[in-house]
Amino acid sequence: NAGVTQTPKFRILKIGQSMTLQCTQDMNHNYMYWYRQDPGMGLKLIYYSVGAGITDKGEVPNGYNVSRSTTEDFPLRLELAAPSQTSVYFCASSYGPGETQYFGPGTRLLVL
Amino acid sequence: DQQVKQNSPSLSVQEGRISILNCDYTNSMFDYFLWYKKYPAEGPTFLISISSIKDKNEDGRFTVFLNKSAKHLSLHIVPSQPGDSAVYFCAAKGSNYKLTFGKGTLLTVNP
Repeated sequence: NAGVTQTPKFRILKIGQSMTLQCTQDMNHNYMYWYRQDPGMGLKLIYYSVGAGITDKGEVPNGYNVSRSTTEDFPLRLELAAPSQTSVYFCASSYGPGETQYFGPGTRLLVL
Repeated sequence: DQQVKQNSPSLSVQEGRISILNCDYTNSMFDYFLWYKKYPAEGPTFLISISSIKDKNEDGRFTVFLNKSAKHLSLHIVPSQPGDSAVYFCAAKGSNYKLTFGKGTLLTVNP
């Protein structure tokens, strides 16, 4: 049982480059989330989705975009990478809105 | 404005003793609280939770206490084991179902 998987594990980007962080879950969860964790800080919600085709902004959405074409996948897109986006990104999923969230292993992103 | 605060960045305890991790919150609309545990290079994993209608929830060595009037919760680990060494995040959920996380406390359990 894979749970929530994320790729890549680590990536270095140059300022202005773009990339997509992949997230897939095999638990048939309706809800999916993207968080970022900066050093010494808690997790902050970037975007979330309540089902295929439905997404909404979280606490820190600027500079990011998401899509949810299937139940399983919830990619996070960075269009113009900036040093402020250097962080660890976690994807999570849950069956329902108040249910326990299950996290992926994270993607470490460094923007230089 | 930090709605969930974990004021101790780190805590060190001896194996076999009790570990107490604290968390304070400011938003009275939070109605559900969770503790997540995180090892290096891994994602957070759910540990234990408590509803605002309760004041205690126990699961094996882990107990969470909630004091609503003080807006304070704590996680007790008894007895502590070296494998418990990790970062512990407190999280709170309000009516919008979104989780608000604290900054985390690094627990080190020394053999």
